[in-house]
Amino acid sequence: GENVEQHPSTLSVQEGDSAVIKCTYSDSASNYFPWYKQELGKRPQLIIDIRSNVGEKKDQRIAVTLNKTAKHFSLHITETQPEDSAVYFCAASNIQGAQKLVFGQGTRLTINP
Amino acid sequence: GAGVSQSPSNKVTEKGKDVELRCDPISGHTALYWYRQSLGQGLEFLIYFQGNSAPDKSGLPSDRFSAERTGGSVSTLTIQRTQQEDSAVYLCASSLGRSRGFKWYTEAFFGQGTRLTVV
Repeated sequence: GENVEQHPSTLSVQEGDSAVIKCTYSDSASNYFPWYKQELGKRPQLIIDIRSNVGEKKDQRIAVTLNKTAKHFSLHITETQPEDSAVYFCAASNIQGAQKLVFGQGTRLTINP
Repeated sequence: GAGVSQSPSNKVTEKGKDVELRCDPISGHTALYWYRQSLGQGLEFLIYFQGNSAPDKSGLPSDRFSAERTGGSVSTLTIQRTQQEDSAVYLCASSLGRSRGFKWYTEAFFGQGTRLTVV
């Protein structure tokens, strides 16, 4: 089955700097890669996702890149703000095969003012 | 309702008792997940239901854990003979779980969770 590894487990950056979180996956059949943000005491919520037919997707300060050959994908947050502080989870699945979402272990991102 | 609903929000139980946690997914969603999240930890997969397929139970930690999904909608997670290590937040999520043509309805929506405390 699919296995997703996420690094780093914790990340601390100065406000205004960029943050990068990386994930690797094992199943080459995976074709859907979402990122979820979980603020303290709240439920995880989707912030961005990417399909395997594209290499990069951007939404304002957030971008995700995918390297299918190397089986890794990354979340990039630019111009970080205090409200970006949260736990971020990557995930992977073969959505056409109706396979379950497999999550990484999470990254606790702290933005220092 | 418009979102995934879980009940109860909080549950305190004595060690050795059985508990039932309920999840009401978004109407029409064929995929339903249960996860467990201990304090400050990640999302531990428990079980996955997809339509009429046999559920993926590979994440259930022991035979004390079981789950049902009746009529393809409401799901109940049952923990028998609870132990202190079962204390955690139990999250349910649902998604439409399939593609239609070129559009994929893939987002998983999470409920607010049930905080289980075993004393």
